[in-house]
Amino acid sequence: SQELEQSPQSLIVQEGKNLTINCTSSKTLYGLYWYKQKYGEGLIFLMMLQKGGEEKSHEKITAKLDEKKQQSSLHITASQPSHAGIYLCGAEGGGSNYKLTFGKGTLLTVNP
Amino acid sequence: GAVVSQHPSWVICKSGTSVKIECRSLDFQATTMFWYRQFPKQSLMLMATSNEGSKATYEQGVEKDKFLINHASLTLSTLTVTSAHPEDSSFYICSARGGREGYGYTFGSGTRLTVV
Repeated sequence: SQELEQSPQSLIVQEGKNLTINCTSSKTLYGLYWYKQKYGEGLIFLMMLQKGGEEKSHEKITAKLDEKKQQSSLHITASQPSHAGIYLCGAEGGGSNYKLTFGKGTLLTVNP
Repeated sequence: GAVVSQHPSWVICKSGTSVKIECRSLDFQATTMFWYRQFPKQSLMLMATSNEGSKATYEQGVEKDKFLINHASLTLSTLTVTSAHPEDSSFYICSARGGREGYGYTFGSGTRLTVV
């Protein structure tokens, strides 16, 4: 089964600072998804990456997938308290295996 | 578009009783739905894949007889926790594959189950 390692497990930053969260896979990533979750709530879709070297941005969040498709990073620029939450990377198994499995998540706290 | 409705959002039940959780895709058809479980301060653990018109595929270690999944239509999957015990208390989330292109998987808002 595919294992995803996320780092760091938790992160506390001052408002306005930049930060990066990493997601590393033991196998080639066929579809890499980033979600945000407030604890006890559903998941909010952020971005999906499929191609090696792909990079996507939305507002102040940028996600990248490396050329080897085994590592992804999520970068937040000029963080705000609204960015606080749990960030989860999820990966598909490849082929017709469409189930999505997740890393352990990164808890982000942004202090005003 | 691509909305998944999960109901109830929270439920409290007595030990030994069964609880049903519904997951509906509101504006798209979902041939495949997924059920996850989340413990406090932990990530989502995939429990099973629900396929419309066929039996669910359970992940290793998940009790099929404890967690009954039915996917009777293209817009509805249900998870029934049978003979619930306090250790079944958890946050359960469903997701559906499909909907708007590029989103892939849409998640429900989750159900907080407390067994007393």
